[in-house]
Amino acid sequence: GAVVSQHPSRVICKSGTSVKIECRSLDFQATTMFWYRQFPKQSLMLMATSNEGSKATYEQGVEKDKFLINHASLTLSTLTVTSAHPEDSSFYICSASTGGWNTQYFGPGTRLTVL
Amino acid sequence: KNEVEQSPQNLTAQEGEFITINCSYSVGISALHWLQQHPGGGIVSLFMLSSGKKKHGRLIATINIQEKHSSLHITASHPRDSAVYICAATGNQFYFGTGTSLTVIP
Repeated sequence: GAVVSQHPSRVICKSGTSVKIECRSLDFQATTMFWYRQFPKQSLMLMATSNEGSKATYEQGVEKDKFLINHASLTLSTLTVTSAHPEDSSFYICSASTGGWNTQYFGPGTRLTVL
Repeated sequence: KNEVEQSPQNLTAQEGEFITINCSYSVGISALHWLQQHPGGGIVSLFMLSSGKKKHGRLIATINIQEKHSSLHITASHPRDSAVYICAATGNQFYFGTGTSLTVIP
């Protein structure tokens, strides 16, 4: 089956620093990648949709200048949390798709802890 | 009110029991997904269905479009089935349920 990886799997950083999370589709080309955030004991929340070669579309309430998304190739998308604060601590999950919502393959997630 | 509601929120079962998790939705959808999230956080897509019923091993998913309801069944449950099961509906956007935390006790 389709494999999506995320790196790093876990990161701890100091408040004010920036953190980059990579999402890669390993055995297929993903025209679309989705970024989700999940707070403890809550469900997934879509942050943004990223299409290769174009600007990401952010969901309402998600700051695009804080969560920078780059989708430079059909196999790689990155999420950079800029000037991270403790409230950004969360589980970030990406998914990669060959054709929209219905064919998403999820990554294993990245747990971010901001001290 | 959430567009997608799941029940129960938490479920504990003995190994071997038949398990049902329910999902109701209030929006028009093109497909309904069942996802499994293990304690480590990784998510696996179990089913995508838009009508009828699908079966994969011990897992069965059904959907009733008229009643806007879907169920996920697990037959002969096993401790390794312990996970959070998430129902998600694809409509104008992707709507997630809050998940059902399942614990299967040996």
